[in-house]
Amino acid sequence: QLVLTQSPSASASLGASVKLTCTLSSGHSSYAIAWHQQQPEKGPRYLMKLNSDGSHSKGDGIPDRFSGSSSGAERYLTISSLQSEDEADYYCQTWGTGIRDVVFGGGTKLTVL
Amino acid sequence: QVQLVQSGAEVKKPGSSVKVSCKASGGTFSSYTISWVRQAPGQGLEWMGRIIPILGIANYAQKFQGRVTITADKSTSTAYMELSSLRSEDTAVYYCARVSYGIVDYWGQGTLVTVSS
Repeated sequence: QLVLTQSPSASASLGASVKLTCTLSSGHSSYAIAWHQQQPEKGPRYLMKLNSDGSHSKGDGIPDRFSGSSSGAERYLTISSLQSEDEADYYCQTWGTGIRDVVFGGGTKLTVL
Repeated sequence: QVQLVQSGAEVKKPGSSVKVSCKASGGTFSSYTISWVRQAPGQGLEWMGRIIPILGIANYAQKFQGRVTITADKSTSTAYMELSSLRSEDTAVYYCARVSYGIVDYWGQGTLVTVSS
């Protein structure tokens, strides 16, 4: 069964960079994922699709400060030049068995100091 | 520009049912799947099920089997999610989402469903 694992929390300073991690369970290291951002009291917003080779395609209007990379079963979201509005929950997402299901990680709460 | 516009907030009694709609525009409705995802207060995202509008075939998460029904009307590009036998634990924001090759790439704005006696 596919599981996506994320650290519950992360923090970084205003103007700095942060790298969030999403780990695919054993046997699923070839899967692409998506990253989604959920600001406080708002709905989720699609950020990007991230492939196993690190290539990624962003959603509409997503700034260049957001980028993705991959290494083995790990998928990363890097946010540079952190702004206060980047303080949000970040979820990774992929598909389950036979592409029927949608699977989410538990989310990482990012605090901008 | 793809948009998914959901129906408004609902307050329901325990044991009743709720039906939430999701109208799509700006894309080819039948070319994608529509999933429903819910988020209880302070919790993460939970997938409930999906429909393939062009086929009218729906699949559900095991947790919701027997209580949820997802349908789609191709003529109006609208998907629906009906949840029955509501209990207080079903209080949540319900989102529809467009799924393309397994990836959610657009979200509805969310519909708050409150279950309270």
